[in-house]
Amino acid sequence: RKEVEQDPGPFNVPEGATVAFNCTYSNSASQSFFWYRQDCRKEPKLLMSVYSSGNEDGRFTAQLNRASQYISLLIRDSKLSDSATYLCVVRGNNDMRFGAGTRLTVKP
Amino acid sequence: SAVISQKPSRDICQRGTSLTIQCQVDSQVTMMFWYRQQPGQSLTLIATANQGSEATYESGFVIDKFPISRPNLTFSTLTVSNMSPEDSSIYLCSVVTYTLNTEAFFGQGTRLTVV
Repeated sequence: RKEVEQDPGPFNVPEGATVAFNCTYSNSASQSFFWYRQDCRKEPKLLMSVYSSGNEDGRFTAQLNRASQYISLLIRDSKLSDSATYLCVVRGNNDMRFGAGTRLTVKP
Repeated sequence: SAVISQKPSRDICQRGTSLTIQCQVDSQVTMMFWYRQQPGQSLTLIATANQGSEATYESGFVIDKFPISRPNLTFSTLTVSNMSPEDSSIYLCSVVTYTLNTEAFFGQGTRLTVV
């Protein structure tokens, strides 16, 4: 079993749609959680951290369920510029583990 | 935050040769990682670069193939040895600090093609 699992997609949605990505992790001792965005031929960049209480940044909402070892990302009113691969990332004491990424394409 | 300079940005190499990739950080960070990303795939952790001691390798990666150095807190190298076409990939340096909830920062990556 992979340490971090994501639905690889692809997700193809129209502009304005709401889309949700899910992620599960296997190490219950994991300490920090993030969503990263990776554009084609670019390095991953932080989209947002994920806190236990859930957090929102504009159109993006991230949630964490430690009991279920589950992380989610919700994108509302999707834009063409949201097209990218979204990576779920879990940090332990000494490592960072990446999910396989979920590819999103937002179409006009 | 941390600014990372990774060199070279790309290279085309002959099979059987070796390439050393450098990662320089503008501030002292405590954890440095090397990842590989093959076309269409996510990032796979190769190893954690430890200052002044041998790197910690993930399953499937060995020191003879991917020797790593980290002489100080701001610099590390990854060597891809005795390359074959299967080593063609993007290699990424990443750094984090010990502070929890601090994200990872990435170098721009090295795009390696082995012919």
